[in-house]
Amino acid sequence: KQEVTQIPAALSVPEGENLVLNCSFTDSAIYNLQWFRQDPGKGLTSLLLIQSSQREQTSGRLNASLDKSSGRSTLYIAASQPGDSATYLCAVGSNYQLIWGAGTKLIIKP
Amino acid sequence: DGGITQSPKYLFRKEGQNVTLSCEQNLNHDAMYWYRQDPGQGLRLIYYSQIVNDFQKGDIAEGYSVSREKKESFPLTVTSAQKNPTAFYLCASSVSGQGGSQPQHFGDGTRLSIL
Repeated sequence: KQEVTQIPAALSVPEGENLVLNCSFTDSAIYNLQWFRQDPGKGLTSLLLIQSSQREQTSGRLNASLDKSSGRSTLYIAASQPGDSATYLCAVGSNYQLIWGAGTKLIIKP
Repeated sequence: DGGITQSPKYLFRKEGQNVTLSCEQNLNHDAMYWYRQDPGQGLRLIYYSQIVNDFQKGDIAEGYSVSREKKESFPLTVTSAQKNPTAFYLCASSVSGQGGSQPQHFGDGTRLSIL
């Protein structure tokens, strides 16, 4: 059974720092891996989707990597800003559904 | 604007009452999904539908029911059999394909609480 883990559960860093969020999964047979952002009390916004055949995807200050063999993905955020404060969720496309991590709550201190 | 609309934003349920959460999309997506989100946990799939008039149970379907009579609508009913319904409910849609293979677009959620 696919399991997805995100560590740490919470992270607080000063503005301007580069940071990495981690996501690990137990079964390498995946369609894709997706990163989402969730603001408090809101729905999810898709940030990046990496297909299983890809190694990374980039959007602006965000870069996501995928290493299927080791069951890991990272989300790199460059030059963090207070507006980046949110919960970041990763989800693995596996069989008929997405399997979700519990998220990392990120706080960027001005 | 294309998107997914969930209503209401907040909902309160009395003991023994069924309540229905609305989800409407104008993205022309074939597939729709309902998730439940509890604090400190990942989203869990309740039901999904790949096409009109067809839907499948997810991991936690007990105490819930759905219908898919129209492509753009996928309402979720939380029945009195669901003993712990307090949660944040999210609706999503995607183009057709196996559920994990396509990007999913989300509504803003409905927060359900017990009175």
